[in-house]
Amino acid sequence: EVQLVESGGGLVKPGGSLRLSCAASGFTFSSYSMNWVRQAPGKGLEWVSSISSSSSYIYYADSVKGRFTISRDNAKNSLYLQMNSLRAEDTAVYYCARDKGYCSSTSCSTSFDYWGQGTLVTVSS
Amino acid sequence: DIQMTQSPSSLSASVGDRVTITCQASQDISNYLNWYQQKPGKAPKLLIYDASNLETGVPSRFSGSGSGTDFTFTISSLQPEDIATYYCQQYDNLPSFGPGTKVDIK
Repeated sequence: EVQLVESGGGLVKPGGSLRLSCAASGFTFSSYSMNWVRQAPGKGLEWVSSISSSSSYIYYADSVKGRFTISRDNAKNSLYLQMNSLRAEDTAVYYCARDKGYCSSTSCSTSFDYWGQGTLVTVSS
Repeated sequence: DIQMTQSPSSLSASVGDRVTITCQASQDISNYLNWYQQKPGKAPKLLIYDASNLETGVPSRFSGSGSGTDFTFTISSLQPEDIATYYCQQYDNLPSFGPGTKVDIK
């Protein structure tokens, strides 16, 4: 059974830092791209960052570029998100999500087929 | 950046009704469109990928269609357990989500 378990959320002051972790099990972690998606309280979903299976390709939303760093450790089946210079608008539930990795005959898609339960990050003084 | 719009933002329907949600992209995204269901307090669940492919284990009353800029998500016969917010998501470039459509029972 595929499982993704996030940890590391909590209350942090503006300008502070936090590191989120996502422990993966039930699949070959090193074969899949992984993502972070967040959801502010009462709001919609926002993709944050993605990392390819071997960490060769990394992408960020403009809203976090330069402040957040995604990484992974395939030996530990773990995904991370280092968040620096946190702002009130970063307050959200942060989900890690697996990229389904589906490819048709012409292209490969990006869809999120497994999600963790989320970890809440609150940025407040 | 590609902008996604969804309509309606919310709807109320009766059990057994056919429910349709539309999603529009600000530019051509081919069939690079997915649909998710999110129930309160839960993580989203992938329902449809590549505009019209039903994810494994998802009931056949859910379907999707469209290409280019206009997409449709349909629940053929609304069930009580379908009460949720539904999001479209594009991946032509970097992924982004639509604002969501909240579905409840009339």
